[in-house]
Amino acid sequence: SQQGEEDPQALSIQEGENATMNCSYKTSINNLQWYRQNSGRGLVHLILIRSNEREKHSGRLRVTLDTSKKSSSLLITASRAADTASYFCATQNQGGSEKLVFGKGTKLTVNP
Amino acid sequence: SAVISQKPSRDICQRGTSLTIQCQVDSQVTMMFWYRQQPGQSLTLIATANQGSEATYESGFVIDKFPISRPNLTFSTLTVSNMSPEDSSIYLCSVVGTGPLAGYYNEQFFGPGTRLTVL
Repeated sequence: SQQGEEDPQALSIQEGENATMNCSYKTSINNLQWYRQNSGRGLVHLILIRSNEREKHSGRLRVTLDTSKKSSSLLITASRAADTASYFCATQNQGGSEKLVFGKGTKLTVNP
Repeated sequence: SAVISQKPSRDICQRGTSLTIQCQVDSQVTMMFWYRQQPGQSLTLIATANQGSEATYESGFVIDKFPISRPNLTFSTLTVSNMSPEDSSIYLCSVVGTGPLAGYYNEQFFGPGTRLTVL
């Protein structure tokens, strides 16, 4: 079953704007990972944030994690047309298994 | 850098037939998983491929329908058996590993996927 929900389900912005996607989950986690998927292809790993971390940066990406609210956000700054893709969060839940539970994803369109 | 490959990349099959999907990693990994992504949907875990033993299946997935093999630490196969149009999906393998694929925090990396269409 799906662990969480991303919102919005779809987001359309202009090149140069920032894009923020949110993810909520239901159980205690070890880490949360964000992925990008272009047009039904494989998933590209973007960033992993552990449960004891609150914020991580990677290039134009900024991820936050609020375990008290069971939520995470992915911010893409200065978006480009090439950022057009679906973005998924996935949680590795406490309990020892490495398996991931995925959210429903946000489809981002960046218009040139 | 390490590479995860899947074969075939896509296939169109007739109902009632079976298809075996291969996942190859060019370094040893500790964990391998198989996921399904139905059209327009997110990913759902099918099973954990265990090296040298039977796979561990998630609720709703059974070995007779999705037999999995993992003979070593770099290779796994997923078979979709007795296919129906409802099996049309992208099937993805993923790994959590050591060596070049190792992340300090156990990042999980995905292969390029196999797009299956069942007529």
